[in-house]
Parts: sequence; C-alpha cells; structure tokens
Amino acid sequence: AQSVTQLGSHVSVSEGALVLLRCNYSSSVPPYLFWYVQYPNQGLQLLLKYTTGATLVKGINGFEAEFKKSETSFHLTKPSAHMSDAAEYFCAVSDRPGGSYIPTFGRGTSLIVHP
Amino acid sequence: DGGITQSPKYLFRKEGQNVTLSCEQNLNHDAMYWYRQDPGQGLRLIYYSQIVNDFQKGDIAEGYSVSREKKESFPLTVTSAQKNPTAFYLCASSMVGSNSPLHFGNGTRLTVT
Repeated sequence: AQSVTQLGSHVSVSEGALVLLRCNYSSSVPPYLFWYVQYPNQGLQLLLKYTTGATLVKGINGFEAEFKKSETSFHLTKPSAHMSDAAEYFCAVSDRPGGSYIPTFGRGTSLIVHP
Repeated sequence: DGGITQSPKYLFRKEGQNVTLSCEQNLNHDAMYWYRQDPGQGLRLIYYSQIVNDFQKGDIAEGYSVSREKKESFPLTVTSAQKNPTAFYLCASSMVGSNSPLHFGNGTRLTVT
C-alpha cells in the first residue's frame, strides 16, 4: 500500500528565505506525485505534479520539487519565501497498479512566513 | 468558468440528524471524491466514484452514504451513525487516470452539537 510522510507539521521561515518542505513516500511501483496548497477555509489547489520524465518539476508561484527515486522523496522548495506563501501544503502519491489510482495524502505541513 | 461547487459553506446540525452535503462539477470529469479533513490528520477518503451509478468506499466510509445518479453531482449524506461528524468536508473531481490531479471545491464545514 502506498503512504506519504511529510516531515514537520509546521515550518517557519523568514520572508526571503529558502522554503523546504519534505515529503517521503512508500510505493511498490513508480509513483505519480503531487503537491497541493490550501489557504484557510478553502479547497486544495495543485502546485505541481511528477508523472514521468524530468525529475525536477516546476510549478506555480515559483515552487519546484525534485523526484529522487533512490531516496523515495519529493521535497518542495522555493528560493525566496513571500508572505503570501503562508498556507498548508500537502504531498500526495498515486500508484495503485491495475487499480483505481486514488491518491493518498500526507498529513500536511503548515508554512509560516515571518516578516 | 469550470469548477466544483460545494454548498453550503457552513452547516450546523443537531446530533442525531442526517445531513446532506452538495457537490456539483461542470468539468466533465468522470471521477468524484469525498474527503474529510481534521486538524493534523490530512485528508482521509470517505467515498469515490469513477462512473455514474457506481461508487466505492474509501478508508473511513462508516456513517456516510453517497449517490451518483448524474455525472455532475455526488452528494454526501452524513448519517446519525457517524460518531464524530464535525469536520471540514472536501469534494474533488478528476479525469480517470493515474496522473490526473484532483480539482477541489471550497469545502463545507459541518458542526454537529
């Protein structure tokens, strides 16, 4: 069964600092991986996704993530945090071969940005 | 604009009452999903449907029921059997396929007292 672990329920950075949100997955087959962002009292929006091909994936709002098969990781980064980046971030994996490919979500990481 | 509409945004009910949450999409997606979100627990799958008139239980289906009579609509009923129904409920849709991302509605916050 697939699973997703997001290290750190809260990450705090200063405005302009590097953002690093960690995601590790377990999967018996090559997975499809996603990062979503959620602002308060709203639904989730897709930031980026990895399917096949290039392991460095660029998303919206300056975010990017790198798929590292050897480390079973898909960490999300942004070179310079902005106050508007403060939100909840979810990593998701989808990999049920022959099945329904229903994504499994991590528990989320709340990004706090200080002025 | 295409999207997913959940209504109402806030819902209050007394314990012991059934309540139905609405979810409508105009994205022409075959698959629809219901998730429950509680603080610190991420999203947990309640039910999903990949085709009209068919749906499958997710990880926490007990105390919930759904129907899929139309492609556009996937209502969720929270029954009195659900032990702890107060939560934020999210509906999503997608094309069927492993690399298809989910499109989410803005959620319904249900409070049962």
